Amino acid sequence: SAVISQKPSRDICQRGTSLTIQCQVDSQVTMMFWYRQQPGQSLTLIATANQGSEATYESGFVIDKFPISRPNLTFSTLTVSNMSPEDSSIYLCSGAGLYGYTFGSGTRLTVV
Amino acid sequence: RKEVEQDPGPFNVPEGATVAFNCTYSNSASQSFFWYRQDCRKEPKLLMSVYSSGNEDGRFTAQLNRASQYISLLIRDSKLSDSATYLCVVGLVGGTASKLTFGTGTRLQVTL
Repeated sequence: SAVISQKPSRDICQRGTSLTIQCQVDSQVTMMFWYRQQPGQSLTLIATANQGSEATYESGFVIDKFPISRPNLTFSTLTVSNMSPEDSSIYLCSGAGLYGYTFGSGTRLTVV
Repeated sequence: RKEVEQDPGPFNVPEGATVAFNCTYSNSASQSFFWYRQDCRKEPKLLMSVYSSGNEDGRFTAQLNRASQYISLLIRDSKLSDSATYLCVVGLVGGTASKLTFGTGTRLQVTL
């Protein structure tokens, strides 16, 4: 199956700043997704990252807060903008291809 | 009502025990079904897909009842290494093009 490299693995950020998370897949995937997992909860889909076009956001998530890029089939970024302590969470990317779904190792974000 | 519901547990069982997890989903249009395993502070990893005919992989057996919108996972001869959170996951469209909806997970703790 595909391997997804996600970085950074963790960060502590000041409120009001932004953090960009990167995911690199070692093979082409048809779709890429970004999830958030808050403490003690399951994964919530933020958006589907579309290659070369604007991401498709789920209810409750907007582009201004979570801009996403996907310039090619194997790379995507998620930015968490103007952070507040409520954004403290684990952010995961996922790729879907012939093998099924694979997840990055996650970014543990703490906003202080 | 949550789209995917699971008993959060925790299930505390002795080594060698058989344990069963249940899951229900609300969207009758769902087409793909999975069990994922998530270890503490790690990303989810696919345990097995679930098919209408039921499927088995070693000590793990998964069942799907579309009429009842119910999915189950049976673990026989539990090992200490089975301790993890088990996520019931449902996809809206069949194949690799679907968005996944995650249950909140059932925590399993296998003890000596």
